Amino acid sequence: DAGVTQSPTHLIKTRGQQVTLRCSPKSGHDTVSWYQQALGQGPQFIFQYYEEEERQRGNFPDRFSGHQFPNYSSELNVNALLLGDSALYLCASSSIGGETQYFGPGTRLLVL
Amino acid sequence: TQLLEQSPQFLSIQEGENLTVYCNSSSVFSSLQWYRQEPGEGPVLLVTVVTGGEVKKLKRLTFQFGDARKDSSLHITAAQTGDTGLYLCAGETSGSRLTFGEGTQLTVNP
Repeated sequence: DAGVTQSPTHLIKTRGQQVTLRCSPKSGHDTVSWYQQALGQGPQFIFQYYEEEERQRGNFPDRFSGHQFPNYSSELNVNALLLGDSALYLCASSSIGGETQYFGPGTRLLVL
Repeated sequence: TQLLEQSPQFLSIQEGENLTVYCNSSSVFSSLQWYRQEPGEGPVLLVTVVTGGEVKKLKRLTFQFGDARKDSSLHITAAQTGDTGLYLCAGETSGSRLTFGEGTQLTVNP
């Protein structure tokens, strides 16, 4: 049973560019949440997707957007990249109403 | 805004020593989770506590959830070098949104 998978593992972009990160949830899970973890800090909630819609959103600008597909996989898009967007982006999956989230290995984004 | 404060932020101890990490908030959470994270990897769930006053044990790790469901502690007995890592507490609110603490970086020296 595969756990949460994310791609790519690492990514280097320059300021102003756009990036798309991908996540496949754990088998049987229908809810995907995205988190940003800056170096030396705990993860910060970006948003959560269920039934292909954004259910909740954290304190992130509209440059951060997402999508969930019918197979429950999800994408995180970030437009107009800033240096401060450099971080580890984590995807977590769960079952709706479930109390446990399982995290993927993350995508390390570096913005130059 | 719900905040979780973890202490200490950094902890360096010798193998065989005991330690306690604290996680405190002014908010009530429906559950609280503890994760351990290695460099460059995602957090790995250690335990979920749900009931106020609950105590869970995982080998040498003991987790406690406060009676009011606002705070938690993680106690490690006889630490080993393999326990080295970033320990994160996370409180769950409605809709399974997690609020994380800043983490405690634990280093266990041989």
